[in-house]
Amino acid sequence: SQTIHQWPATLVQPVGSPLSLECTVEGTSNPNLYWYRQAAGRGLQLLFYSVGIGQISSEVPQNLSASRPQDRQFILSSKKLLLSDSGFYLCAWSIVTNSPLHFGNGTRLTVT
Amino acid sequence: GENVEQHPSTLSVQEGDSAVIKCTYSDSASNYFPWYKQELGKRPQLIIDIRSNVGEKKDQRIAVTLNKTAKHFSLHITETQPEDSAVYFCAASTLDNYGQNFVFGPGTRLSVLP
Repeated sequence: SQTIHQWPATLVQPVGSPLSLECTVEGTSNPNLYWYRQAAGRGLQLLFYSVGIGQISSEVPQNLSASRPQDRQFILSSKKLLLSDSGFYLCAWSIVTNSPLHFGNGTRLTVT
Repeated sequence: GENVEQHPSTLSVQEGDSAVIKCTYSDSASNYFPWYKQELGKRPQLIIDIRSNVGEKKDQRIAVTLNKTAKHFSLHITETQPEDSAVYFCAASTLDNYGQNFVFGPGTRLSVLP
């Protein structure tokens, strides 16, 4: 069966520091991969999605970037965090057309 | 791009009553509509989904209906229980040049009162 791993679970970072969040999927090949952000008490904002290595669509212009160095690995990065980057970051995958997203457990990021 | 609206934003019902959450979407090319339940501090989890070639789907106490002409779909929960209390999100999915894109509604906070 497929599983998704996302780490770390929680992170506290100062403003201006870099960020790297990692997500890996096991048990499937060539998944579609996604990064969502959820502000406290709010909805799910799509940040990036990818259909393959090096193929990434950015939905929101911001100081975040994403990379997919391997088929089942998706990384979210920032060179300099802003206070507004605080939130719950969720990685997700889907495998075929018209199939659901499956979310990881998320990373709760607090920028201080 | 796709825009998904969801109503109501909050909903309180008595245990045993029914709850209905409604969503509308803007892109007629959307063809897949999942619903997620998110408990406090946890990840969203799929509870039911419907594809565009189907008008209704039911799974025990949960049902979803889709009206493609009107571009709206609804979640129905019958015989609500306290453990149904959570935030519910609808989503619309469209295929584009980059793959399958999911756009979520803003969520509905459901409270089931004992």
